[in-house]
Amino acid sequence: GESVGLHLPTLSVQEGDNSIINCAYSNSASDYFIWYKQESGKGPQFIIDIRSNMDKRQGQRVTVLLNKTVKHLSLQIAATQPGDSAVYFCAETMDSNYQLIWGAGTKLIIKP
Amino acid sequence: GAGVSQSPSNKVTEKGKDVELRCDPISGHTALYWYRQSLGQGLEFLIYFQGNSAPDKSGLPSDRFSAERTGGSVSTLTIQRTQQEDSAVYLCASSPRIGGPGAKNIQYFGAGTRLSVL
Repeated sequence: GESVGLHLPTLSVQEGDNSIINCAYSNSASDYFIWYKQESGKGPQFIIDIRSNMDKRQGQRVTVLLNKTVKHLSLQIAATQPGDSAVYFCAETMDSNYQLIWGAGTKLIIKP
Repeated sequence: GAGVSQSPSNKVTEKGKDVELRCDPISGHTALYWYRQSLGQGLEFLIYFQGNSAPDKSGLPSDRFSAERTGGSVSTLTIQRTQQEDSAVYLCASSPRIGGPGAKNIQYFGAGTRLSVL
């Protein structure tokens, strides 16, 4: 389940199960959202994005859901694998802005 | 190279010394960002460069921090008189196009420089 650790919220998931990582974003005017994955010792890596005129977008084993009513973004990972262990960050922005507003991150731990 | 390159990958320095961190962005990317990430924390924006425009330095934590970008490509982040609280991973990212309808502000990151101030 989810818990708030000393630094990052942590989600522990059994290998093979589906993972759902949640993010509450801050700006109702944001029109573009991105999920990044950061493995230990590496920089964040782009996973998937979604524009505000969509509520769902699917990639390979990942799905992003956007609920603008409650300003909520989620990342679903199907059939979680050990390689999915990482910290996941959501980010939001507006087309007119060069800045990304970053979420705090969620650490995903895969249990064998 | 194909991705963003940062050097050195690790830097250990003594308190009070100056350090320079280097970032080689992806060729053709006009936007470049520096971030700081403390252990187990999120990303803290430091500075942004876009083409020949004046950089956005609003995230620099003190006047000991400065950055430049020469020729619209390579960037150097300099920390003067380092303090122990400067210990962190410094990440550089570049992006191909910023702003405008339909623009995708996807930032591509290097592996970072881990700075340890003793």
